[in-house]
Amino acid sequence: QVQLQESGPGLVKPSQTLSLTCTVSGGSISGGSFYWTWIRQHPGKGLEWIGYIFTGGSAYYSPSLKSRATISVDTSKNQLSLRLSSVTAADTAVYYCARESGNYAIDYWGQGMLVTVSS
Amino acid sequence: DIQMTQSPSSLSASVGDRVTITCRASQGISNYLAWYQQKPGKVPKLLIYGASTLQSGVPSRFGGSGSGTDFTLTISSLQSEDIATYYCQKYDRAPRTFGQGTKVEIK
Repeated sequence: QVQLQESGPGLVKPSQTLSLTCTVSGGSISGGSFYWTWIRQHPGKGLEWIGYIFTGGSAYYSPSLKSRATISVDTSKNQLSLRLSSVTAADTAVYYCARESGNYAIDYWGQGMLVTVSS
Repeated sequence: DIQMTQSPSSLSASVGDRVTITCRASQGISNYLAWYQQKPGKVPKLLIYGASTLQSGVPSRFGGSGSGTDFTLTISSLQSEDIATYYCQKYDRAPRTFGQGTKVEIK
């Protein structure tokens, strides 16, 4: 059973860089053909797709976040990472990591982590 | 980029009612459409992928249909445990856009 767990600072100051890690267990992040994905949800709002990195391939981002977001994989640690630069209060949200299985959509989600941007 | 529009944004129905939620893509996405259920304070859960294939373990009262630009999620007989917000998502290509969600409540 694949499990994903987000970690990182829960509080980030405006203009700084948000950095989150997602640890994958129960499977190799470099095995298979998966889209390792970040999604966020502003308080009381809907789901917003941030981007993904394909196994052994390139990353793709939401057009609205493309200039600030970086998704990467550390296969030695079986971890997925998100960096979001120049954050503002509008980046306050619950951040989810997830695994998309191509034809089978997003079948595994992390528990989500609330990140608050505030001085 | 392709936009995903769900309707209605919210609905109230009685237990046992048939409930229908629609999702429209601004361009054709074949059958690369998924539906997720998110209960309050919980992680989203995959209900349907490929527009109409029920994820393992999902009750058979949930059903999906459609192809191209118009899709439907149907709950054949609404149960109290179905109170949630439902999201569609396209996954044919990036960006993998979500619909804005439909909140389902019990009347």
